[in-house]
Amino acid sequence: GIQVEQSPPDLILQEGANSTLRCNFSDSVNNLQWFHQNPWGQLINLFYIPSGTKQNGRLSATTVATERYSLLYISSSQTTDSGVYFCAVAYNTDKLIFGTGTRLQVFP
Amino acid sequence: NAGVTQTPKFQVLKTGQSMTLQCAQDMNHEYMSWYRQDPGMGLRLIHYSVGAGITDQGEVPNGYNVSRSTTEDFPLRLLSAAPSQTSVYFCASSPGTDLSYEQYFGPGTRLTVT
Repeated sequence: GIQVEQSPPDLILQEGANSTLRCNFSDSVNNLQWFHQNPWGQLINLFYIPSGTKQNGRLSATTVATERYSLLYISSSQTTDSGVYFCAVAYNTDKLIFGTGTRLQVFP
Repeated sequence: NAGVTQTPKFQVLKTGQSMTLQCAQDMNHEYMSWYRQDPGMGLRLIHYSVGAGITDQGEVPNGYNVSRSTTEDFPLRLLSAAPSQTSVYFCASSPGTDLSYEQYFGPGTRLTVT
């Protein structure tokens, strides 16, 4: 099955800094999603992005499917950005495979 | 819309007990799924359904049963709870019958088996 690796595993930032989170996957995909799990455990879908680039406010994501990676950019980070960011992928299956996540802590 | 709802929020079971975790969605989504999340790990798929009357196994199905008699509900049954099933359980749904759309998650059920 598809393997999903996320880096870095942990990230500590000061408020206002920018960051880039990476998701590598081992095979072709036709579904790639980024999720944010807040400190209370709620999972929020950030982007559905099997290819191309999308932006939503301070967050943007790019997936280069031919090179099997996706990047999540967070600009001008805020304390509310803290939590764990997951990448999840699928290819021609009904099973979404999650990476182990990047834990982000943003300090004021 | 309430979105995806899960009950209970917390549950403590003794080894060998059975119970059902409830999941419901009011968005008329065809695809529903159950995941478990263990400390420091991502989510692992337990079972999923692409529509009423259709279910299939995910990565870690052993010890769990599901059924899908309606579009709205997708309960997860633990047949004989074991300490290894201590975890946080998430239910999710998405439109369509495949994974071509974003998934919406419920708030989770934190289960402890002693």
